[in-house]
Amino acid sequence: GQNIDQPTEMTATEGAIVQINCTYQTSGFNGLFWYQQHAGEAPTFLSYNVLDGLEEKGRFSSFLSRSKGYSYLLLKELQMKDSASYLCAVTPGGSYIPTFGRGTSLIVHP
Amino acid sequence: DAGITQSPRHKVTETGTPVTLRCHQTENHRYMYWYRQDPGHGLRLIHYSYGVKDTDKGEVSDGYSVSRSKTEDFLLTLESATSSQTSVYFCAISDPGVKNIQYFGAGTRLSVL
Repeated sequence: GQNIDQPTEMTATEGAIVQINCTYQTSGFNGLFWYQQHAGEAPTFLSYNVLDGLEEKGRFSSFLSRSKGYSYLLLKELQMKDSASYLCAVTPGGSYIPTFGRGTSLIVHP
Repeated sequence: DAGITQSPRHKVTETGTPVTLRCHQTENHRYMYWYRQDPGHGLRLIHYSYGVKDTDKGEVSDGYSVSRSKTEDFLLTLESATSSQTSVYFCAISDPGVKNIQYFGAGTRLSVL
């Protein structure tokens, strides 16, 4: 089976930096995704990591360590609109079917 | 935005009735998925398809069936709806040749009374 853990809820202040962690245990590894989901809406793709290291895309960055089964999503210069749920999803080796974590609800306050 | 349409967007039905949800894509993506999302559980995979007439079960497939007779359409059927199937249902598509990023439909909110 697969196990993906991420914190249930986090709060942060507008303008600050927040790091959302995701740890996973899978049979092999074929990629890790982060999605953003605003309340009442569909998830949307944020980032993809398949090799170790940091992927940067504007205010958002995602890091992967395959040996540690660990990833984080880093959000800089937080804005109120970043209040959303952030979903970590991992695809096991030899598969194209990802498994999702339960998501981290991020609340950004003024 | 990826061309994915779910219908209906909202549905209220009674226990024991059959329900069919439709997912239609215009992207010609090979993979299609049905998820349900419930508070505290995140997104859980019901069934997926990797081609026309090729489908497989996900982790919560009991009580659901699917069909894919055309690349564009993936149907989810609840043969006899139960209150435990009250949920928000999302369809997704992906193409393994493009990092397998999933694109989601807007969702269907289903209430079984």
